[in-house]
Parts: sequence; C-alpha cells; structure tokens
Amino acid sequence: AQSVTQPDIHITVSEGASLELRCNYSYGATPYLFWYVQSPGQGLQLLLKYFSGDTLVQGIKGFEAEFKRSQSSFNLRKPSVHWSDAAEYFCAVGPTGFQKLVFGTGTRLLVSP
Amino acid sequence: NAGVTQTPKFRILKIGQSMTLQCAQDMNHNYMYWYRQDPGMGLKLIYYSVGAGITDKGEVPNGYNVSRSTTEDFPLRLELAAPSQTSVYFCASSYSGLNTEAFFGQGTRLTVV
Repeated sequence: AQSVTQPDIHITVSEGASLELRCNYSYGATPYLFWYVQSPGQGLQLLLKYFSGDTLVQGIKGFEAEFKRSQSSFNLRKPSVHWSDAAEYFCAVGPTGFQKLVFGTGTRLLVSP
Repeated sequence: NAGVTQTPKFRILKIGQSMTLQCAQDMNHNYMYWYRQDPGMGLKLIYYSVGAGITDKGEVPNGYNVSRSTTEDFPLRLELAAPSQTSVYFCASSYSGLNTEAFFGQGTRLTVV
C-alpha cells in the first residue's frame, strides 16, 4: 500500500533563511507527487506537482521540489522564506489513473523574525 | 469565482444527531471528494464521486453517506453522530482524474459532544 512520511512535525525557520521540508513515500509504481499548503483556517492549495519528466519542479510562491527515485523522496525547498509562508505543508502521493491521494501528516512551518 | 464552497464553517452536534455538510463547486468539475482531517493524521478520503449519480467509498466511509444528484453539489451526511466524527471536513473538486489540480473548500469544523 502507498504511504507518505513527513518526518518533521514542526520546523522553525528565520525569515530570509532557506527551507527544506522532507517527504518520503512508499509506492509500488511511478508515483504522482504533490505538495499542498494550508494556511490557518483555509483549505489546501496546490503548490506543485510531479508526474514525469524533469525531476526538479517549480511551483507557486517561489517553491520548488525535487523527485529522487533512488531515495523515494520529494523534498520541498525555498531559498528565502517569508513570514507569510508560515502554514502547514502536506505532501501527497497518488496512483496513476485516478486521484485518490494519500496525504502525509503534515509539517507545520513557523517563521521567526 | 467562488470555487468550492462548504457550509457550515462550524457546527456542534450532540451524540446521535444527524446533519448534512454541504459542498458546492462552480467550476463544472466532474470529480468531487470528501476528506476528514484529524490532528497529526493528515487527510483521509471518506467518499468521492466521478460524476453526477456516481459515488464510491474512500478510506474511511463508515458513519457517512453521500449523494451526487448534480455536477455542482456533493453533500456529506452524518446519520448518527459519534465523538469519533469530531474532525475538520474538507470538500474538494477536480476537473478530471489525477492529472489535474484539486481545489479545496475552507473546511467545516465539526465537534460531536
């Protein structure tokens, strides 16, 4: 069965510093991978997705993620964090052919001044 | 554009009561989904629909029912509320299957006491 692990429950980053959020998955075939962001009191918004091709994908708000098949990882990165990036971030993996996403448990990002 | 609209935003139910969580989308999306989000657990799929008149169970369907009489609406019914159903519920929609983005509503926070 597919699964997603986000090992960090909370991360605190200083404003302007770089960010990397970890995501590891278990899946028997080529996965479809997603990162979603949830701001307080809001629904989830898609940051970026990987289906195939270039393993470095660019998303909205200056985020990027790199798919590493050998490590079963899809880590999210941002070179310089802004206070408005404080939110909860979810990694998700889906099967080909139909959208039944399996979500990780989320990483809450705190941004310090 | 309204996107995905969920009502109500908050609700407190007594054990054994019933209620319907409403979800409507105005994007003419074929696919709609209901998720629940529990602290530290990520999102779990309750039910989904691939079009009007077609619904299917997700990972955690027990205690819930759905219907999809129109493309726009996908209500979630709780017949006999239990404390285990205390959660935040998210409705989402997408135009088709996995290759398209899912749009989420702002959520309904339900407490069963």
